[in-house]
Amino acid sequence: DAKTTQPPSMDCAEGRAANLPCNHSTISGNEYVYWYRQIHSQGPQYIIHGLKNNETNEMASLIITEDRKSSTLILPHATLRDTAVYYCIVRDLSGAGSYQLTFGKGTKLSVIP
Amino acid sequence: DTAVSQTPKYLVTQMGNDKSIKCEQNLGHDTMYWYKQDSKKFLKIMFSYNNKELIINETVPNRFSPKSPDKAHLNLHINSLELGDSAVYFCASTRLAGDNEQFFGPGTRLTVL
Repeated sequence: DAKTTQPPSMDCAEGRAANLPCNHSTISGNEYVYWYRQIHSQGPQYIIHGLKNNETNEMASLIITEDRKSSTLILPHATLRDTAVYYCIVRDLSGAGSYQLTFGKGTKLSVIP
Repeated sequence: DTAVSQTPKYLVTQMGNDKSIKCEQNLGHDTMYWYKQDSKKFLKIMFSYNNKELIINETVPNRFSPKSPDKAHLNLHINSLELGDSAVYFCASTRLAGDNEQFFGPGTRLTVL
C-alpha cells in the first residue's frame, strides 16, 4: 500500500508556480521521498527525491517539512507540457524494498492556458 | 535513441491465448522491472531482475513468466490470457538496484477480448 496521501487533482495557470502537496505522516527515518510524473500515454518520469533537506534540480524543487511528515513539489513556472499525474512515493533504500517503487493514486495536475 | 523500448505498443488478443511483450534497454543498466497499470491507473510492480536474476516477484500468477536472455532484455510471457490481464505494462531499468531514477519504457497496452 502507498504510504502517501495526495489531492486527486489540481489546476495551475500557465507560467505560475505549481505547488503539489504530499502527506507521508508514517515515514520512517530510512525512507526517502521521491516524485515521479506520468504524462498521458507515457511511462513515468523521475523528477526529484530527498531525505531531509530541500532539494532543487532543473525540473523542480522539493520542500520537506522539518518533521518529514509532509512535502511539497514545486514547479516554478508551469507550462502546458507539465500537465500530468504526479506521484509522491516514499521509498526505503535498504533491503529488498529498495528495488521497487510503490505508486499511489497521485495528483492530476492540469496546467491551464 | 530510445533508452527503454517495448514491443509491441498495442496488443489485442483473445482469452486463452499466449502472448509475449519484449523490453530492451540500451543504457547498460543491470536491473530491469515490469510494472502493470490497470484500468484504475494504479501502477504496481510485478517483477525485478538484477543481472538476469529474479529478485522480486510480487504475487503475480504463474501464467506470467519473465525471461531475461541478457542484461539488456527482459521479456514478459503471458500464458492463458484472461480478461483481467488487460492493462498497460511498463518496463523500466536502473543502472543498479536501488538507484534513484528508474527509466521507464513507453508501455504496452494489452487488451484481452
